[in-house]
Amino acid sequence: AQKVTQAQTEISVVEKEDVTLDCVYETRDTTYYLFWYKQPPSGELVFLIRRNSFDEQNEISGRYSWNFQKSTSSFNFTITASQVVDSAVYFCALSEDGSGNTGKLIFGQGTTLQVKP
Amino acid sequence: GAVVSQHPSRVICKSGTSVKIECRSLDFQATTMFWYRQFPKQSLMLMATSNEGSKATYEQGVEKDKFLINHASLTLSTLTVTSAHPEDSSFYICSARVIQGAYEQYFGPGTRLTVT
Repeated sequence: AQKVTQAQTEISVVEKEDVTLDCVYETRDTTYYLFWYKQPPSGELVFLIRRNSFDEQNEISGRYSWNFQKSTSSFNFTITASQVVDSAVYFCALSEDGSGNTGKLIFGQGTTLQVKP
Repeated sequence: GAVVSQHPSRVICKSGTSVKIECRSLDFQATTMFWYRQFPKQSLMLMATSNEGSKATYEQGVEKDKFLINHASLTLSTLTVTSAHPEDSSFYICSARVIQGAYEQYFGPGTRLTVT
């Protein structure tokens, strides 16, 4: 069965600190996709990144970076020099690519990040 | 970028009434739309997958007669909560999957339903 675990329920940091959000997943598929979404207080989900299972290259986008390690089934997300505007709930999600290619997303429980000034 | 709208953004209704929520892809066509439900401080749970022109596929435990989904066109899917009760109060979010491109889903802003 597919599962996404975000063990950190809430994280609080002070502005300019670096913070890493953990994501561990379970799947039997050899081809799958991993995502990170941001949900600010307004509620609208903001897409951050998609990574397929064959691409283990780490990615950096501005202050955001992602570390994908298949050996540990992890897809961690780091925010460098955090800002107050980064305060939100962050979700990691998994999409299977088995037969049918349904595109269904399995979400983790989310990590609430609070960045204090 | 692809934009998905939902209407209404907030709705308050009385117990026993029905509520319809619309999900529209504004600048792209979507053969597949998804409906999620999110309780306060919880994750998103997939309710159903909606394919244009066919019956929706509901997740286990979701009552298909209570949550009616209609995907009448490539840009519109609707979710009707029938005979709503206070326990149906939640944040309902739709997403639309683009036809071309790999697996991107674009989420609507959500609809907050409160049943009194």
